[in-house]
Amino acid sequence: EVQLVESGGGLVQPGGSLRLSCAASGYTFSNHDMHWVRQVTGKGLEWVSVIGIAGDRYYADSVKGRFTISSESAKKTLYLQMNNLTAGDTAVYYCARTHSGDYMDVWGKGTTVIVSS
Amino acid sequence: QLMLTQSPSASASPGASVKLTCTLTSGHSTYAIAWHQQQPEKGPRFLMKLNSDGSHTKGAGTPDRFSGSSSGAERYLTISSLQSEDEADYYCQTWHTGIVVFGGGTKVTVL
Repeated sequence: EVQLVESGGGLVQPGGSLRLSCAASGYTFSNHDMHWVRQVTGKGLEWVSVIGIAGDRYYADSVKGRFTISSESAKKTLYLQMNNLTAGDTAVYYCARTHSGDYMDVWGKGTTVIVSS
Repeated sequence: QLMLTQSPSASASPGASVKLTCTLTSGHSTYAIAWHQQQPEKGPRFLMKLNSDGSHTKGAGTPDRFSGSSSGAERYLTISSLQSEDEADYYCQTWHTGIVVFGGGTKVTVL
C-alpha cells in the first residue's frame, strides 16, 4: 500500500525553526516529485514547495528564503526545514506525491504546526 | 497569472446530482486540472485528473458516481447519486513548471 506519513509538527515560538518529515512507503520514492501543502484551520489548501526527481526545487513566495525542501532517497523521506517562523505559518502541513510530474495523487494525513509565544 | 476559481458552496439532496465548476484564468484554458476531496477532519484525497478535452483519469478508489467534463476554460466535477459521505470540500488544482495552484474549494452539503 502506498503511504505517506508526516511527523515533526508541534508548538514553536515566533522566529523559531522546525523540521518536518514525510516517510514514504509502498512505492519507488525516487521516481516521483514530492510536494508540501499547508492548510490553515477553516481555510483552503496552499501549495508550499516541490522537489523534483532531478533535485529541482520551487517555493511559494510566502515561504521563499525561509523554508527549504529536501529529500533522502535511501530513507524514502521528504523534509521541510522551516526557519524564522511566524504566526502566519500556523497550519496543518501535508506531503503529497506527484504522478508523472503532473497531479498530486497520494496525500499524507498531515502534521500540525503552531507558531505562538 | 495562473489561477482557479470555484464557487464557495453547493448542495443537493441524497440521490440527486451536483455539478461543481472550476474556472481557469484567461490564457490557460488548455490546462489540465486535478480534483481532490477533503472530508471533514481528514486529509485531501485525489479523485481524478481532468484534461481540457474532457478525458479523465480517476484514482484507484474513486467511485463511479464521480465524473469529470470540460468546456473551454471550465472544468466540472459531477457527483451523481449523492451520498452522505460525499459531504466534503472539493478542491481543483493545476500546475505549471515551478508552480502549483489550488482553487478556493467548494463545500458540498448533502441536504
